[in-house]
Amino acid sequence: QVQLVQSGAEVKKPGSSVKVSCKASGGTFSNYAISWVRQAPGQGLEWMGKIFPVFGTLNYAQKFQGRVTITADKSRVTSYMELSSLRSEDTAVYYCARVVFGMDVWGQGTTVTVSS
Amino acid sequence: DIQMTQSPSSLSASVGDRVTITCQASQDIRNYLNWYQHKPGKAPKLLIFDASNLETGVPSRFSGSGSGTDFSLTISSLDPDDFATYYCQQYDNLPAGGIITFGPGTTVDIK
Repeated sequence: QVQLVQSGAEVKKPGSSVKVSCKASGGTFSNYAISWVRQAPGQGLEWMGKIFPVFGTLNYAQKFQGRVTITADKSRVTSYMELSSLRSEDTAVYYCARVVFGMDVWGQGTTVTVSS
Repeated sequence: DIQMTQSPSSLSASVGDRVTITCQASQDIRNYLNWYQHKPGKAPKLLIFDASNLETGVPSRFSGSGSGTDFSLTISSLDPDDFATYYCQQYDNLPAGGIITFGPGTTVDIK
């Protein structure tokens, strides 16, 4: 059974970038996409974008276009989400999730804190 | 972009109550609608996919219905473990493409 394991918490300065990783253990990147979702304090779930590693297709939410980059390394079975030009409003828990019929397997979440 | 609304935004209920949450899409999304349960400090959990299909391992007290623009999630008899926030989520043409949108969420708490 695939598990998604994310990198650890980050503290970043405004204006900098953060890169979060998501490794699929117990499986490969076959026949599913990886989505990235975040939840800011007191807010709901917000979809950021997804990648289909086998085909290399990408979709981004309009809100994050130009600021987020999602990639996948098939050999390492790892997806990455990089968010640039960080501001305080980007403080959130960031999740990766496998997308088959819905997002059925989730990473444990990575807390990113943006503070000067 | 497709917009999703949910109602109510929150509700208070007792163990054993029947609870229904509704979700509306701004345009026809056929049955491309999933439901999640989210508890503080945990990752979200998929409950229902494709509007009415129960995810493996999810208790049968959860059910989903609807198509087009109007959907609902029903918990037939609320369990203490069900107090959480519930989100609907639409998608198009998974898995090869498309944009995903979550609804704003419905918080179910103890009356």
